Amino acid sequence: NAGVMQNPRHLVRRRGQEARLRCSPMKGHSHVYWYRQLPEEGLKFMVYLQKENIIDESGMPKERFSAEFPKEGPSILRIQQVVRGDSAAYFCASSPQGWEQYFGPGTRLTVT
Amino acid sequence: KNEVEQSPQNLTAQEGEFITINCSYSVGISALHWLQQHPGGGIVSLFMLSSGKKKHGRLIATINIQEKHSSLHITASHPRDSAVYICAVLKLQKLVFGQGTRLTINP
Repeated sequence: NAGVMQNPRHLVRRRGQEARLRCSPMKGHSHVYWYRQLPEEGLKFMVYLQKENIIDESGMPKERFSAEFPKEGPSILRIQQVVRGDSAAYFCASSPQGWEQYFGPGTRLTVT
Repeated sequence: KNEVEQSPQNLTAQEGEFITINCSYSVGISALHWLQQHPGGGIVSLFMLSSGKKKHGRLIATINIQEKHSSLHITASHPRDSAVYICAVLKLQKLVFGQGTRLTINP
């Protein structure tokens, strides 16, 4: 059983471009979480999704950020018109039941 | 005040020493995770516990629900244990993280 997959592992974007981060949960896991780790800061919750539904997006910035977890395919975290402050490591975690979470390797986004 | 507080923030020890990292939380939780993160690396889940004690190799995690406190112990520490250890509590199905403890084990 492969672990949680995230791609790309590293992503460089210029200010104003769009960033798309992908997360493939472990097989059989229907719960996906996105977390952000800003440089020299702790991890912060962003959004919790189940298949085709956003359950809790209380940690998402109000503008430019969106997330989806379609019926087929990976979960996508989308950041429009990126700014330097978006540079961070973005981690995805998946869970079979919403309790024990398994983390992916993260995507490190650098905005130049 | 953060909902999850870890101590110490930084810890340097010699190889072989017994290590203790503490975590206190102020909210109702359904479970507590201990995570490990190497520099520039991913996050590995070490333990998830909701009561009592768990042991895996040289690592031991305990939790006291009444006191809202958990500890992570490392016995016979080794330089490869050097990493950031993060306590995270599961609150309403999302994790709330402590700031992490940076552990350095010198040979």
